[in-house]
Amino acid sequence: FVMTQSPDSLAVSLGERAIINCRSSQSVLYNPNNKNYLGWYQQKPGQPPRLLLSWASTRESGVPDRFSGSGSGTDFTLTISSLQAEDVAVYYCLQYYDTLFSFGPGTKVHIK
Amino acid sequence: QVQLVESGGGVVQPGRSLRLSCVVSGFTFSRYGMHWVRQAPGKGLEWVAIISNDGSHKYYLESVKGRFTISRDNSRNTLYLQMYSLRPEDTAVYYCANLGDPSAGLLLDYWGQGTLVTVSS
Repeated sequence: FVMTQSPDSLAVSLGERAIINCRSSQSVLYNPNNKNYLGWYQQKPGQPPRLLLSWASTRESGVPDRFSGSGSGTDFTLTISSLQAEDVAVYYCLQYYDTLFSFGPGTKVHIK
Repeated sequence: QVQLVESGGGVVQPGRSLRLSCVVSGFTFSRYGMHWVRQAPGKGLEWVAIISNDGSHKYYLESVKGRFTISRDNSRNTLYLQMYSLRPEDTAVYYCANLGDPSAGLLLDYWGQGTLVTVSS
């Protein structure tokens, strides 16, 4: 499972929308339960990653609702609806469909 | 309160070995598979290895297979990563993590703060 992300870097004005794409080389949709085995992480400098969304679109506890996820199969999107200063970070997708997990290369989000 | 505390990092010459440890508290260690994830300086996250809750199953990133060994001691709530034949490209912060049990529909988000391994002559 090779994960790719686009863009590598993204500059967005405060209050504007940020969209990050993630693609898997193979489907991460498990048909028996119709769940996509994909998560989105946020990482700030000097910190470990933080899980924002699991199962492609389920927000974790405490995650602001400006973060949302969509997609199925091999193509996924993380959307930050109204960028805040505290959202400056690197965002990674992670597939956990396979026993050997794999991360995307990351997308750096900064303020325009 | 969940805590994962890594140790054992440092500077090591190419070809040498190093063992990382991760002491866990705040959850029932023996119930969960555990992971090692690394991050080279200024680079992205890279999943390294996973061990099942009872230690019977282990899987590795291809580039470390045969050089790294993941293990655990459930009586000591401790996860290990034994690294042999280290290469400069193994230089990274190594995180231990409990990411849950996706096969059971459970995702968790427990990470240590990481320990830095530098492979350099």
